[in-house]
Amino acid sequence: KNEVEQSPQNLTAQEGEFITINCSYSVGISALHWLQQHPGGGIVSLFMLSSGKKKHGRLIATINIQEKHSSLHITASHPRDSAVYICAVRKPGNQFYFGTGTSLTVIP
Amino acid sequence: EAGVTQFPSHSVIEKGQTVTLRCDPISGHDNLYWYRRVMGKEIKFLLHFVKESKQDESGMPNNRFLAERTGGTYSTLKVQPAELEDSGVYFCASSLGNTGELFFGEGSRLTVL
Repeated sequence: KNEVEQSPQNLTAQEGEFITINCSYSVGISALHWLQQHPGGGIVSLFMLSSGKKKHGRLIATINIQEKHSSLHITASHPRDSAVYICAVRKPGNQFYFGTGTSLTVIP
Repeated sequence: EAGVTQFPSHSVIEKGQTVTLRCDPISGHDNLYWYRRVMGKEIKFLLHFVKESKQDESGMPNNRFLAERTGGTYSTLKVQPAELEDSGVYFCASSLGNTGELFFGEGSRLTVL
């Protein structure tokens, strides 16, 4: 079993829809990262969280440390949001564990 | 400022050959990480450098993999001899300090035939 589980694995949405991607983890962490990878592209770090909530433009990330759960929300989704979104957790010893990713397709 | 750069972007080699992947972190970043994603699986941690020292190499799959970071700047990851199951995308990331934000390279795709 992977230490980091994401859901859903695949997601198709209409442009403008509100999107939620979930991440659950089973290890103690010092931080959680949400990453984005466009097709054929490199990985970009969207958020680094250790508590609470962060917002950047149309993206919102939340984390509940007690429940070992994080969500990434995209408001007013757009086709350019189509990408793979990856949840990664950093353990206190600095080792990272990655989810398998959520492949998002936003249809115009 | 240049981001994390990796070279080559794609390498195709035959089983038994040697390949060396290079990662140039963001200038001044002391922490450097290697990861890889094999087909259909999640990204897996390989190892972590702090400056030139290996902080954690618990993710290295076997002794066919050798990583170095001489001088604490760029890093190389050598696979010798390469096997079919080594095919995948090898990512490098760097950060300033061990709690800093991670910056990833574009990845080096390795195909072993």
